[in-house]
Amino acid sequence: KQEVTQIPAALSVPEGENLVLNCSFTDSAIYNLQWFRQDPGKGLTSLLLIQSSQREQTSGRLNASLDKSSGRSTLYIAASQPGDSATYLCAVNEGGSEKLVFGKGTKLTVNP
Amino acid sequence: DTGVSQNPRHKITKRGQNVTFRCDPISEHNRLYWYRQTLGQGPEFLTYFQNEAQLEKSRLLSDRFSAERPKGSFSTLEIQRTEQGDSAMYLCASSRAYGYTFGSGTRLTVV
Repeated sequence: KQEVTQIPAALSVPEGENLVLNCSFTDSAIYNLQWFRQDPGKGLTSLLLIQSSQREQTSGRLNASLDKSSGRSTLYIAASQPGDSATYLCAVNEGGSEKLVFGKGTKLTVNP
Repeated sequence: DTGVSQNPRHKITKRGQNVTFRCDPISEHNRLYWYRQTLGQGPEFLTYFQNEAQLEKSRLLSDRFSAERPKGSFSTLEIQRTEQGDSAMYLCASSRAYGYTFGSGTRLTVV
């Protein structure tokens, strides 16, 4: 059974700092991996999708990497801003299934 | 493209009542998903439709839960004889190929 773990569960940083969020998964037979952002009481916003054949994806200040063989992904946020405060969720799409398996998320607080 | 729309946004119901939620996906998306999220947890997969066919169901989807997607357009999720443990955010998502677009969810509170 696929399990996704995100570390740390919560992170508080001062504005302007660069930071890394970690995601690990137990079964490397994944189709793709996605990072989402969730604001309190809201739905999920897709940030980055990495196909299993890719190593990384970038969008603006965000960079996500994937090491499928070791079952790890990182989300790097450069020059953090208070507006980045949210919960960040990692999810994997297993081969042969349409479902996403999510981690519990990392709650990020960026202090002005 | 108006995004994925879910209604209602909030629902409070008494234990034992039936509730129904609606999801309107992005019009050109043929795939539709339902997830459930409780406080402090990531979303958990419930079911998946490709067009009007329900192709995958989680064991979380007990006999009290039923989902439909008539004509491959909007979808409904019905919970019969609600229990307090059903209190959660119910999220709908749609996709055409890669990546998901999620709606804002329906928050269900069973009292």
